[in-house]
Amino acid sequence: QKEVEQNSGPLSVPEGAIASLNCTYSDRGSQSFFWYRQYSGKSPELIMSIYSNGDKEDGRFTAQLNKASQYVSLLIRDSQPSDSATYLCAVNATNAGNMLTFGGGTRLMVKP
Amino acid sequence: EAQVTQNPRYLITVTGKKLTVTCSQNMNHEYMSWYRQDPGLGLRQIYYSMNVEVTDKGDVPEGYKVSRKEKRNFPLILESPSPNQTSLYFCASSPKSNPYNEQFFGPGTRLTVL
Repeated sequence: QKEVEQNSGPLSVPEGAIASLNCTYSDRGSQSFFWYRQYSGKSPELIMSIYSNGDKEDGRFTAQLNKASQYVSLLIRDSQPSDSATYLCAVNATNAGNMLTFGGGTRLMVKP
Repeated sequence: EAQVTQNPRYLITVTGKKLTVTCSQNMNHEYMSWYRQDPGLGLRQIYYSMNVEVTDKGDVPEGYKVSRKEKRNFPLILESPSPNQTSLYFCASSPKSNPYNEQFFGPGTRLTVL
């Protein structure tokens, strides 16, 4: 079983809609959770981090963490074609020292 | 300009021919890391370094070596490359105080081993 799981997609949403990206993880003791965006042919860039249960908002992005259910999600409101990219979920597990474990990524397509 | 640079950006080589991919950062970061990215597998950590002369294995260290003799440089060495090491490689750096929240990635090195 992969430690961090994401649906590979593609997830297709119309422009202006809410895109919902999900990620589950296996290490119940994980403490730090991150969402990266990667445009095709480019390097990943950090867009959100979350450490506590609940929601964290930053502009059009909201990260949601539920440690009891072991999932973390990313909501993108008012999706734009420029949001089309692969979104990578990453987790720092407590038993992994300073290692970061990534999911396989979800490809998001926002159609005009 | 604050940046992480990698060289070469593209490399085609043959099985068994030793190669080094260089990584350099100009932000005085303590933490540096190497990842490989393969379709459907996301990024997998190969090695990381918390500071000079301190390196640790990541998820997939087999077949790779690293060194950290200077703070700014973190080369990735493939002593005897094999076709299963064909991948896209990323170097990243960040301050030790917050290794993941401020992680800067290099532009990537696409390696093909024939």
